[in-house]
Amino acid sequence: QSALTQPRSVSGSPGQSVTISCTGTSGDVGGYNYVSWYQQHPDKAPKLMIYDVSKRPSGVPDRFSGSKSGNTASLTISGLQAEDEADYYCCSYAGSYTYVFGTGTKVTVL
Amino acid sequence: QVQLVQSGAEVKKPGASVKVSCKASGYTFTSYGISWVRQAPGQGLEWVGWISAYNGNTNFAQKFQGRVTMTTDTSTGTAYMELMSLRSDDTAVYYCARLATPYYYYMDVWGKGTTVTVPS
Repeated sequence: QSALTQPRSVSGSPGQSVTISCTGTSGDVGGYNYVSWYQQHPDKAPKLMIYDVSKRPSGVPDRFSGSKSGNTASLTISGLQAEDEADYYCCSYAGSYTYVFGTGTKVTVL
Repeated sequence: QVQLVQSGAEVKKPGASVKVSCKASGYTFTSYGISWVRQAPGQGLEWVGWISAYNGNTNFAQKFQGRVTMTTDTSTGTAYMELMSLRSDDTAVYYCARLATPYYYYMDVWGKGTTVTVPS
């Protein structure tokens, strides 16, 4: 199972929007509406930000949104804030009770 | 509150085994499963496998099959991951996370991680 492909880094100024892509195959991202996104600050455990492609857990700001088209999922952060600077990982169900993570994207707030 | 508390850091020799624990609290342990995810230094997240606390069924990423076992102790609400035949590239932080396939397909609660070091 190969890791899902994400850009290594994206950046934006405070208040701007950034979008992170997550490309897989028909066997994972394209085959199931079970893409989740995780935020990870340095030396911290990951935190769930989006699940089931576009749903937000309680407590996650609504400036975080998710979508999917074909084999590519996306996470958009609108109104970028300093505390959003972190690494972000997508994760997809890949069938047979298995999962695959993305390669990770570092978001920098300029 | 719902939390997962992991065991402390380990240093192991190449070829040895390591067993990491993850104690759950604040929810009904057998209603969910536990997923294990690792992160090598400076690298991304890698899914290792999953165990159902309900029936003990397991599923592993292909690269770990034959080298990892996962178990649970429902009397204490604790999950265990044992990785065998350790190599230097197994050096990583190992996280446990709550997961409940096929009811839901995301990891919503995470432990703080256990550092496993295998010197080369």
